[in-house]
Amino acid sequence: TQLLEQSPQFLSIQEGENLTVYCNSSSVFSSLQWYRQEPGEGPVLLVTVVTGGEVKKLKRLTFQFGDARKDSSLHITAAQPGDTGLYLCAGGRGGSNYKLTFGKGTLLTVNP
Amino acid sequence: EPEVTQTPSHQVTQMGQEVILRCVPISNHLYFYWYRQILGQKVEFLVSFYNNEISEKSEIFDDQFSVERPDGSNFTLKIRSTKLEDSAMYFCASRQDNYGYTFGSGTRLTVV
Repeated sequence: TQLLEQSPQFLSIQEGENLTVYCNSSSVFSSLQWYRQEPGEGPVLLVTVVTGGEVKKLKRLTFQFGDARKDSSLHITAAQPGDTGLYLCAGGRGGSNYKLTFGKGTLLTVNP
Repeated sequence: EPEVTQTPSHQVTQMGQEVILRCVPISNHLYFYWYRQILGQKVEFLVSFYNNEISEKSEIFDDQFSVERPDGSNFTLKIRSTKLEDSAMYFCASRQDNYGYTFGSGTRLTVV
């Protein structure tokens, strides 16, 4: 069974602070995806990282895929209250089917 | 932006009853999925569907579950005889031939 462990599970910070969320596994994934989920809604894809060592930036969000393709991180610079939400990582295995294994998520609260 | 549409948004049913959850995936997508999320737990894979047949199913997807794509646009999940533990958010998702999933907003199923 492939597991993805996310840490921290909960994070409460002040507006303007930086933060990093981690996603770790003992398994290799062909890609890692990060999603954001609002209460009562489905996950919304933020980014997909595919190559070991890859770094992608999305405005104030920086995503990194570990060299061994087993772990990933999400770094947010100068967090804003609008960043509040549940951040999920999901690992995909190769092949046409490409099903996702999700982590449990990090619930981020950014206080004004 | 194209969306995956799910209906109903909330379904309450009595234990032992059959329910059908409906989804309209994005029209040019090729792969279709059902995931579920029990309250407070991870999003977990149920089944994938490609080329009009199931391509993979999880251990959760036992004989009481079935999927169908009856008319080329709708994608349904049927639960034949619901149990209390089937209460969850059920997410439909679709994707083209790249990695990116698009999830619907989900159906909250409550079995009483």
